[in-house]
Amino acid sequence: EAQVTQNPRYLITVTGKKLTVTCSQNMNHEYMSWYRQDPGLGLRQIYYSMNVEVTDKGDVPEGYKVSRKEKRNFPLILESPSPNQTSLYFCASSLTYLPLAGGGNEQFFGPGTRLTVL
Amino acid sequence: SQQGEEDPQALSIQEGENATMNCSYKTSINNLQWYRQNSGRGLVHLILIRSNEREKHSGRLRVTLDTSKKSSSLLITASRAADTASYFCATDSTTYNQGGKLIFGQGTELSVKP
Repeated sequence: EAQVTQNPRYLITVTGKKLTVTCSQNMNHEYMSWYRQDPGLGLRQIYYSMNVEVTDKGDVPEGYKVSRKEKRNFPLILESPSPNQTSLYFCASSLTYLPLAGGGNEQFFGPGTRLTVL
Repeated sequence: SQQGEEDPQALSIQEGENATMNCSYKTSINNLQWYRQNSGRGLVHLILIRSNEREKHSGRLRVTLDTSKKSSSLLITASRAADTASYFCATDSTTYNQGGKLIFGQGTELSVKP
């Protein structure tokens, strides 16, 4: 089954304790992205990757790191989490990063990771 | 500010009625997409309409696009309780240099009462 998986689904942690949220897709997609979703603020992009070893900042990258060593995996790393990073996080992937009118950039989303930082 | 903005923010209807949601955006686009999100879950892609298309259908969904007004609408006909969800429009932009980047609106929260 074509899917994007994230782990863990729920995480409660304390300020400053490093954590990693994993993301994996089995569709051979080039483009992967991390979002956070907060009430009233909508979906905001944290980081994205257009292909292996190619990553770049989105709209709210502060406090986050990513890596793309393999095409299928795109982990999100919080080196020193803080309470303002409490949020619902989504990983997404799409076939291509090219802005084609005909599509190919439809995004497939993971189930989400609900993170609470105390 | 957001590229895509949905209207209304919330919509409550009875089962069987039609639901219409609108989306406005600011810059020229390659395509516009609609997504659905059930409470707390990942977004699911519903339909994509190209910038050179005016209307598209998929089952009970009908999407229109007016590039001159920079707006789109999503119509769900004969709604069901299971359609209760948040609906988001997303646009890519020909002016962004981040190929593949989608900008999501704030969403319309649809509640369909049995």
